Amino acid sequence: EIVLTQSPDFQSVTPKEKITITCRASENIGSSLHWYQQKPGQSPKLLIKHASQSISGVPSRFSGSGSGTDFTLTINSLEPEDAATYYCHQSSSFPFTFGPGTKLDIK
Amino acid sequence: LLVESGGGVAQPGRSLRISCAASGFAFEDYAMHWVRQGPGKGLEWVSSISWNRDSIVYANSVKGRFSISRDNAKNSLFLQMNSLRVDDTALYYCAKIRNAKWLVDAFDLWGQGTMVTVTS
Repeated sequence: EIVLTQSPDFQSVTPKEKITITCRASENIGSSLHWYQQKPGQSPKLLIKHASQSISGVPSRFSGSGSGTDFTLTINSLEPEDAATYYCHQSSSFPFTFGPGTKLDIK
Repeated sequence: LLVESGGGVAQPGRSLRISCAASGFAFEDYAMHWVRQGPGKGLEWVSSISWNRDSIVYANSVKGRFSISRDNAKNSLFLQMNSLRVDDTALYYCAKIRNAKWLVDAFDLWGQGTMVTVTS
């Protein structure tokens, strides 16, 4: 099973700041890494697919990079509505796995 | 749109069947998945079924107890959960794969979830 670790676990930031969340895979997964945003009481929402590919309708301040075992999600110029938990997910092999999540608080 | 139903309270060892009704896309062309989230916890993939039912995969934690199925004529996905355990308590989401005819990819559409609580 491919284990995904995320850092940080939690971060409190102010609007307009930039944040980077990292996701590390226990083995090489190429670019089969996706990012989701989950707000309280809501279902997850796909933000970035295949490490760096944007999703229609997702604000351009969200971007992803990386390949192999190390990946990052960057959120530029944070907005109050970005308060959420962010998960990475690998689809390189079964069982699919998710990172433990990064909770983002906007002050 | 994906709408789950059938959740509820069950005793350990009992069974429950949850459903997911799909609309707004060609359900028969897409692999579908179940993902669960325990109270206050992260996301856990449970099971996947290909568009044509040729490929079915389960997480080790549910293998032998849960069974995924689909009815393409009725645009519906199911999860039969037997021998339920307390640690199966979770919000169960159905999720659609992004690309038609693929089994593995990102999940681009999620339902709102149906809650399953296993307690004595």
